[in-house]
Amino acid sequence: DIQMTQSPSTLSASVGDRVTITCRASQSISSWLAWYQQKPGKAPKLLIYKASNLQSGVPSRFSGSESGTEFTLTISSLQPDDFATYSCHQYYKYPLTFGGGTKVEIK
Amino acid sequence: QLQLQESGPGLVKPSETLSLTCTVSGASISSDSYFWGWIRQAPGKGLEWIGSIYSTGTTYYNPSLNSRVTISVSTSANQFSLKLSSGTAADTAVYHCGRGIVGAHFDSWGQGALVSVSS
Repeated sequence: DIQMTQSPSTLSASVGDRVTITCRASQSISSWLAWYQQKPGKAPKLLIYKASNLQSGVPSRFSGSESGTEFTLTISSLQPDDFATYSCHQYYKYPLTFGGGTKVEIK
Repeated sequence: QLQLQESGPGLVKPSETLSLTCTVSGASISSDSYFWGWIRQAPGKGLEWIGSIYSTGTTYYNPSLNSRVTISVSTSANQFSLKLSSGTAADTAVYHCGRGIVGAHFDSWGQGALVSVSS
């Protein structure tokens, strides 16, 4: 199975901060990686697919990048609505796997 | 607008089968462009993929659950279902259904249904 190691598990930040979340794959997954935002009691929301493609309707302050097996989600200027949990997901091969999640909290 | 809604018992006794249904509206479950899947999240844990089903009926299951999982589709009802047998406390989780793009990622999810396995 492909392991997705996500860091940090928790992040405290303020409105306006630049936030970076990292996911490292245990093997090459090409660019087959997505990022999701989760809020309690709500459906997870797709933010980024194929490592760096912004899903339609998602604000441009969200971006994704990759370097080898390391993938990064960046929020350029954190907004109040962005306090949530973020998870990465590889869909290169079965079994599909997810990172452990990063909770972005208010500092 | 696509909507996915999970439904089923919120409490299951240990050793019994956990059964959930996902009702899809706004899209045909028979479409060749998509697949359908179940993902769960235990308290304090990350997301775990359970399995997926394609319009051809082909299924893929997480090997860690393989022998206990069955995913099926009802095209007439535009629904798909999950059965997880021999439930234990470790199966207590929020269960999400989702739609995936064939060859790609999940693009839409349901809000989830909490299932507790307890006597």
